[in-house]
Amino acid sequence: AQSVTQPDIHITVSEGASLELRCNYSYGATPYLFWYVQSPGQGLQLLLKYFSGDTLVQGIKGFEAEFKRSQSSFNLRKPSVHWSDAAEYFCAVGASYNTDKLIFGTGTRLQVFP
Amino acid sequence: NAGVTQTPKFQVLKTGQSMTLQCAQDMNHNSMYWYRQDPGMGLRLIYYSASEGTTDKGEVPNGYNVSRLNKREFSLRLESAAPSQTSVYFCASRERQRAFFGQGTRLTVV
Repeated sequence: AQSVTQPDIHITVSEGASLELRCNYSYGATPYLFWYVQSPGQGLQLLLKYFSGDTLVQGIKGFEAEFKRSQSSFNLRKPSVHWSDAAEYFCAVGASYNTDKLIFGTGTRLQVFP
Repeated sequence: NAGVTQTPKFQVLKTGQSMTLQCAQDMNHNSMYWYRQDPGMGLRLIYYSASEGTTDKGEVPNGYNVSRLNKREFSLRLESAAPSQTSVYFCASRERQRAFFGQGTRLTVV
């Protein structure tokens, strides 16, 4: 069965520090992988996605993620965090053969201190 | 503006009451979804509709019904609300692998 694990429930970083949010997935086929961000009281916004090709993908707001098949991971990174990045981040996986379902992780809440 | 519109944004129900959450998208997408978001649980899929006239159960369908009357609209109905259904509900529509989300409905069942 498909599943997504985000091991870190809550992360706190200082503004300007680097960030890495972890995501591990379990999936039998080639996965389609996504990172979404949810600001307080808002819906979800797509940060980036991976389908195939280059395993390092660039997204909006200066985020990037690297797909590592051997580790079943799709970690999200940002070299220098801004206070406005404080939000909840969700990793999601979709099937390559059944494109109707997106399974989400439980989310990681990011706090940024000045 | 194009997007996914959910109504209402907030709702308080008494246990046993019924209500329907409305969702409409104007992007001509075939697939639409209803998720619920609970603390520590992420987003869990309730029901989805791959195309007009079809619906399928997701992870947590019990206590809900859905209706996809046309391509634009996908409604979620609670026939007899329970406190366990207190949650934030999100509707989404999908173009290939990119999902667009509504702003959410915060539902409280007392």
